[in-house]
Amino acid sequence: AQSVAQPEDQVNVAEGNPLTVKCTYSVSGNPYLFWYVQYPNRGLQFLLKYITGDNLVKGSYGFEAEFNKSQTSFHLKKPSALVSDSALYFCAVRGLDYQLIWGAGTKLIIKP
Amino acid sequence: SAVISQKPSRDICQRGTSLTIQCQVDSQVTMMFWYRQQPGQSLTLIATANQGSEATYESGFVIDKFPISRPNLTFSTLTVSNMSPEDSSIYLCSVGEGRWEQYFGPGTRLTVT
Repeated sequence: AQSVAQPEDQVNVAEGNPLTVKCTYSVSGNPYLFWYVQYPNRGLQFLLKYITGDNLVKGSYGFEAEFNKSQTSFHLKKPSALVSDSALYFCAVRGLDYQLIWGAGTKLIIKP
Repeated sequence: SAVISQKPSRDICQRGTSLTIQCQVDSQVTMMFWYRQQPGQSLTLIATANQGSEATYESGFVIDKFPISRPNLTFSTLTVSNMSPEDSSIYLCSVGEGRWEQYFGPGTRLTVT
């Protein structure tokens, strides 16, 4: 069965430092992976996806994610964090019926 | 990407009543999804609503409690029937059409008293 794990409930980073939000997956077949962000009291926004090709995927707002097949990971990264990046981040993998299977979410807090 | 609107944005309802949530898309899409989300928590898929076929419900969700309509390629409704306080949640619709990712509406925040 397809599944996604986000091992950290919360990540705290100082503004200007690099950030990483972790995601690991378990799939049968090729993984189709996604990152979404949810700002307080707002809907979910698509950040980036990995379907095939280059293992480093670039997305919105300066975020990128690295696909690692051997470690079954798809970690979200940003070189320099902004206070405005504080939000809830979700990793997801595409299921067999085109639905998305979601991780538990990671709360990212960027401190000034 | 598709622009998705939902109505109402929020509502407070009494137990035992029903609420119908509308989801409108600015372009034609085949696949629409309905989710439930507790604030600060992950999403739970309720059902997949494809135009021209019956909605497909996930385990734990039944049509009598969450009837869905999909009359055309730009619109869907989700009804939460015979509500109880446990139904208090955020309800989200999303679309996926010819793309790998899904795009989401702003959500409907439901409180049942």
